[in-house]
Amino acid sequence: QKEVEQDPGPLSVPEGAIVSLNCTYSNSAFQYFMWYRQYSRKGPELLMYTYSSGNKEDGRFTAQVDKSSKYISLFIRDSQPSDSATYLCAMNTGGFKTIFGAGTRLFVKA
Amino acid sequence: SQTIHQWPATLVQPVGSPLSLECTVEGTSNPNLYWYRQAAGRGLQLLFYSVGIGQISSEVPQNLSASRPQDRQFILSSKKLLLSDSGFYLCAWRERDTNQPQHFGDGTRLSIL
Repeated sequence: QKEVEQDPGPLSVPEGAIVSLNCTYSNSAFQYFMWYRQYSRKGPELLMYTYSSGNKEDGRFTAQVDKSSKYISLFIRDSQPSDSATYLCAMNTGGFKTIFGAGTRLFVKA
Repeated sequence: SQTIHQWPATLVQPVGSPLSLECTVEGTSNPNLYWYRQAAGRGLQLLFYSVGIGQISSEVPQNLSASRPQDRQFILSSKKLLLSDSGFYLCAWRERDTNQPQHFGDGTRLSIL
C-alpha cells in the first residue's frame, strides 16, 4: 500500500463548477499537509499549507484535513480554465522528507 | 523574497554522455535542498537531499550523484547517462529547522537518445 493515494483522473468539469480533489494516506504520523498546483512543463507551486485537522480557506481554495479518517481534500470554487493543471497533495511528519501523491489532472472547460 | 533557479530548462543528451544540472537558491541561508525526478503520470521520486554543504543523502541507488559545493548551490550529475535517466528533474528548497513546505524550481526536462 502506498503511503499516499491520489486518483490520477483526469477530472473534467465545466467552468464555474466546484471541484473536489482528494487524497488518502496511511501514516498517522503525518501532521503537515500541502497542496501544490503544477502546470505543464513547470515545477509544482505551493497552493495551500495546513497543520493538523481542520479547514483553511484562501480565496477560491479551501483545504480540509480529517486526520481521524486519514483523508485530505482541496475544494476549488467557481473553477476557471486557468485552474486546469495537475494538483499534487503532499504531507510531512515534521522531518526532512515530504511524501507526494501522484497528482490529479484537472481540466476546466470554458 | 526567496527564488530558486534551475538550468537548463530542457536538455537532450546521447546515451553514455555526462550530465550536470545546477540549482541555486537566493534569499535564504542554510536551506535544505532536494532533487526529485518526476516520470509522466507518476509522483515525485526523491533522489537526494542535503542539509548542508557537502552533506548529501541518497534515497535511490542509481546512476546519479549530487553535490553541494556552496550553501545555496545543488548539482545533480552523472558520468554516463542511461536511457532510463530520461525524465523531469526538479530541485526544491525548504527553510532549515522549520516545518515550512518545500518550494520548487521550474525543472529540467531531460531526454536521452
